[in-house]
Amino acid sequence: EVVLTQSPGTLSLFPGERATLSCRASQSVGDNLAWYQQKPGQAPRLLIYDASNRATGIPARFSGSGSGTDFTLTISSLEPEDFAVYYCQQRTNWAFTFGPGTKVDVK
Amino acid sequence: QLQLQESGPGLVKPSETLSLTCTVSGGSITNSYYYWDWIRQPPGKGLEWIGTIYYSGSTYYNPSLKSRVTLSVDTSKNQFSLKLNSVTAADTAVYYCARRDVRGVNFQPWGQGTLVTVSS
Repeated sequence: EVVLTQSPGTLSLFPGERATLSCRASQSVGDNLAWYQQKPGQAPRLLIYDASNRATGIPARFSGSGSGTDFTLTISSLEPEDFAVYYCQQRTNWAFTFGPGTKVDVK
Repeated sequence: QLQLQESGPGLVKPSETLSLTCTVSGGSITNSYYYWDWIRQPPGKGLEWIGTIYYSGSTYYNPSLKSRVTLSVDTSKNQFSLKLNSVTAADTAVYYCARRDVRGVNFQPWGQGTLVTVSS
């Protein structure tokens, strides 16, 4: 099973600041990686698929990069609605795993 | 717009079987481009993939749950279902259903989720 590790566990930032979230895979997953945003009481919302493609309706301030084992989600300038938990997720054959999440909260 | 809605009991006793159904609206479950998945999230914790089913009935399960999980599909009702047997308190979670592109990695859209508590 591919294990995903996310860092940091919590990121405390001011609105308007840049957020950089990391996801590392225990073995190469190519570009088979997605990012989700989850707010309390809500289902996860797809942000990025195939490592770097924004999902429909996702603002341009969200971007994804990386391949193989190291991936990054960047939020260029945090808006108030961006404070949430972010998960990465991968697919290897018929196994799907999620990272433990990074919480982005208001400093 | 495609929507998914989970339904089923919110309380299940230990050792019994958890049964949930996901109803798909705004699109057909027999669309050959998509798989249909279940994912769960214990309170305050992360996400765990449970399994996937195709409209033909083909299934794939998380190895850690495979011995206790059964997925099924009812194309006449545009629904797919989850059964998890021999439940314990560790199976208490919000259960989500979701759609996945046959070529892809990601889940989109998701249902709103339903909390199932395992308790006597």
